[in-house]
Amino acid sequence: AQTVTQSQPEMSVQEAETVTLSCTYDTSESDYYLFWYKQPPSRQMILVIRQEAYKQQNATENRFSVNFQKAAKSFSLKISDSQLGDAAMYFCAYRTTLYNQGGKLIFGQGTELSVKP
Amino acid sequence: GAVVSQHPSRVICKSGTSVKIECRSLDFQATTMFWYRQFPKQSLMLMATSNEGSKATYEQGVEKDKFLINHASLTLSTLTVTSAHPEDSSFYICSGGAAYNEQFFGPGTRLTVL
Repeated sequence: AQTVTQSQPEMSVQEAETVTLSCTYDTSESDYYLFWYKQPPSRQMILVIRQEAYKQQNATENRFSVNFQKAAKSFSLKISDSQLGDAAMYFCAYRTTLYNQGGKLIFGQGTELSVKP
Repeated sequence: GAVVSQHPSRVICKSGTSVKIECRSLDFQATTMFWYRQFPKQSLMLMATSNEGSKATYEQGVEKDKFLINHASLTLSTLTVTSAHPEDSSFYICSGGAAYNEQFFGPGTRLTVL
């Protein structure tokens, strides 16, 4: 079974600085999807960024980028120019491409990011 | 992105009663919907997967008779917590989407059982 591990329960960053959140996963599959979700205090889940495993190029979305190391099964999120609104719980998630799994997401434990003004 | 609504957003009930939570996809058809449970400061734990027109698939350890899931249409799935007890108090989140496309999350329902 696939597992997702986020080893940093809490992280802190100064406003305008850069922070990297770590995520590792375990799978025997060669094709899959990886995601980072943000959950602010409202608790609405927001998709931050997505990576397809077959793509070697790291995904980027404005200030958010990932470092995807397939062989190492690592998928870290870098937030540049951190803003107060980035403060939230961040979840790393894995999704198989196997048909019989229906597209369910497996989440890591989460990292709570605080941003200091 | 697509919108998923949940109703109610908060519910308080007495122990032993049943509570129904609705999850609706407002502007797309959700062939698959997922139900998650989240305790404070913890991750989302998948409870079950429901496909329109068929029985839900429950994750190991989730009581099928306690958490009844119905996905009667492509825009509506319901979760009924039967004979609720205080330990069922939690935050319940649904998500919907076509099977392999992006999942869109509802805003969640906070259930408190007294």
